[in-house]
Amino acid sequence: AQKITQTQPGMFVQEKEAVTLDCTYDTSDPSYGLFWYKQPSSGEMIFLIYQGSYDQQNATEGRYSLNFQKARKSANLVISASQLGDSAMYFCAMREGSSGNTGKLIFGQGTTLQVKP
Amino acid sequence: DTEVTQTPKHLVMGMTNKKSLKCEQHMGHRAMYWYKQKAKKPPELMFVYSYEKLSINESVPSRFSPECPNSSLLNLHLHALQPEDSALYLCASSQEVRGLATDTQYFGPGTRLTVL
Repeated sequence: AQKITQTQPGMFVQEKEAVTLDCTYDTSDPSYGLFWYKQPSSGEMIFLIYQGSYDQQNATEGRYSLNFQKARKSANLVISASQLGDSAMYFCAMREGSSGNTGKLIFGQGTTLQVKP
Repeated sequence: DTEVTQTPKHLVMGMTNKKSLKCEQHMGHRAMYWYKQKAKKPPELMFVYSYEKLSINESVPSRFSPECPNSSLLNLHLHALQPEDSALYLCASSQEVRGLATDTQYFGPGTRLTVL
């Protein structure tokens, strides 16, 4: 069954340091996409980064990078040089790509990140 | 411009009221979604529209009625809601729905709904 697991309910990081948010997934579909979203207290879900199951390289977007370890079924988000504005809830999500897929995103439970000055 | 807009930002309604939530996107996306999100929980999918047709209804109570007047607009009509329906309602859009693992959903800012 499709599943996303985020084992860290809450994390703290010092400003300007790097932080890794964990995400493991379970799927039997060889084609899938993994997404990370940021949700500040204002509520908007902001798309951060995407990794496809067939991508050979880890995805990067500015200060965000995705540490994709396919054999371990993990897709951890790394935020470098943390800023106070990075304080938010972070969701890992997965979408399967096989035919008949209905477009559903499977979300993890989220990790709340607090950046300390 | 990856923007999805939602109105209103906040809504307070009584259990006998009828109200509507609106969502609009101008990215040329052909799939639109409604999610419900309780505090500190992940979003829960409610409805999916693909090419203006309802393709998924996640067994949502009939007091929630979606409508897709055109490819850019998505409404959620609310009637006879219960206090437990109080939540953040998020709209999202994506290029297409089926068979594409890269299909990224872009979310709006949400409507915070309180049912008294």
